[in-house]
Amino acid sequence: DAGVIQSPRHEVTEMGQEVTLRCKPISGHDYLFWYRQTMMRGLELLIYFNNNVPIDDSGMPEDRFSAKMPNASFSTLKIQPSEPRDSAVYFCASSETRFGEQFFGPGTRLTVL
Amino acid sequence: GQQLNQSPQSMFIQEGEDVSMNCTSSSIFNTWLWYKQDPGEGPVLLIALYKAGELTSNGRLTAQFGITRKDSFLNISASIPSDVGIYFCAARTITQGGSEKLVFGKGTKLTVNP
Repeated sequence: DAGVIQSPRHEVTEMGQEVTLRCKPISGHDYLFWYRQTMMRGLELLIYFNNNVPIDDSGMPEDRFSAKMPNASFSTLKIQPSEPRDSAVYFCASSETRFGEQFFGPGTRLTVL
Repeated sequence: GQQLNQSPQSMFIQEGEDVSMNCTSSSIFNTWLWYKQDPGEGPVLLIALYKAGELTSNGRLTAQFGITRKDSFLNISASIPSDVGIYFCAARTITQGGSEKLVFGKGTKLTVNP
């Protein structure tokens, strides 16, 4: 298996632009997680899905952030409009079961100018 | 919120030395996890601990779940250059909405000099 796949690996955009991050979880994993990593706050859970349904989005910073999982093999995290403080590394992870090991993707490094 | 205090923030050691890092919290947890993150990659699970007092090894790595359930430590014996990276502790907690999530420490950056 190729593991969790994220794209793009790097994204540089200007303030106010829409940004879409993509994730393909490991096949057969029912849980998908989106995390954000910054120097100041470390790794923080933004939202997670079970069988494509959002379960907990309490970590989503504000309405500018939205996430979808239209099917079992694809999820997106969208920021609209983006702001410089959104600059971070965004990770997607998936797990087979609720308490199972979470496998992380390589991350998307987002820079908002 | 529930915070994990991880220390030290960074360590510079010579190859062959042993390493120890820990995480503490004012909250009680039922699961402690230790991850390693290499540059440009996502975290990878090293060790999972599920019971207070549990001591678990994975090769040269040993981790313990504190008896109070509020802390955990990770030891690396006889360090080698490929141990370089950032080590994170994580613990499983229940959110206000009743779901569960992982909270992470800020990480310990390990540098090993050959």
